[in-house]
Amino acid sequence: EAGVTQFPSHSVIEKGQTVTLRCDPISGHDNLYWYRRVMGKEIKFLLHFVKESKQDESGMPNNRFLAERTGGTYSTLKVQPAELEDSGVYFCASSPRQGGTANTEAFFGQGTRLTVV
Amino acid sequence: AQSVSQHNHHVILSEAASLELGCNYSYGGTVNLFWYVQYPGQHLQLLLKYFSGDPLVKGIKGFEAEFIKSKFSFNLRKPSVQWSDTAEYFCAVNNNDMRFGAGTRLTVKP
Repeated sequence: EAGVTQFPSHSVIEKGQTVTLRCDPISGHDNLYWYRRVMGKEIKFLLHFVKESKQDESGMPNNRFLAERTGGTYSTLKVQPAELEDSGVYFCASSPRQGGTANTEAFFGQGTRLTVV
Repeated sequence: AQSVSQHNHHVILSEAASLELGCNYSYGGTVNLFWYVQYPGQHLQLLLKYFSGDPLVKGIKGFEAEFIKSKFSFNLRKPSVQWSDTAEYFCAVNNNDMRFGAGTRLTVKP
């Protein structure tokens, strides 16, 4: 069974450009999470999808970030326009929905390292 | 605000030393607790988890963690570390959303 996959693994863009990160969760997982880690700091929650709906997007830093999960399968996270402080590793994770809650183990992708210069 | 706190930013041990990494959380109600590990160059993987039952849980590679509800803690332990345990360790709490602590970098000297 394929795990969570993220693309690209590394992206270097200039300030002001647009970047779109993609996450393919494990097939059948309703929950999909996006996280960001700035070097040396915590893994910060960005948002949580349940199928195609945004369950919680309280961690999204500002309106330059847009996440979508059309059809409840893969998800994209677009940063437009990118700023220097957006640099970091963006992780995606997925988990199955059990008993009507999201309280299960999450499986992580390898992350996308975004560098804004 | 709900949070997960890991007390140690960087821990350096010699092989065979005992390890304990602290984790406290501030969520109320029922929570599920996890420790994840990220080895150099690899992605995050689950070390162990607690959902219910015996508060002392055992994970892979000889790690264990104890859930103490009264202290809102879920500390990770290993009696004797190895060089291959060098990694970053993250405590996480799932209360309908998975939230992480800042991580503890463990360096084990051979």
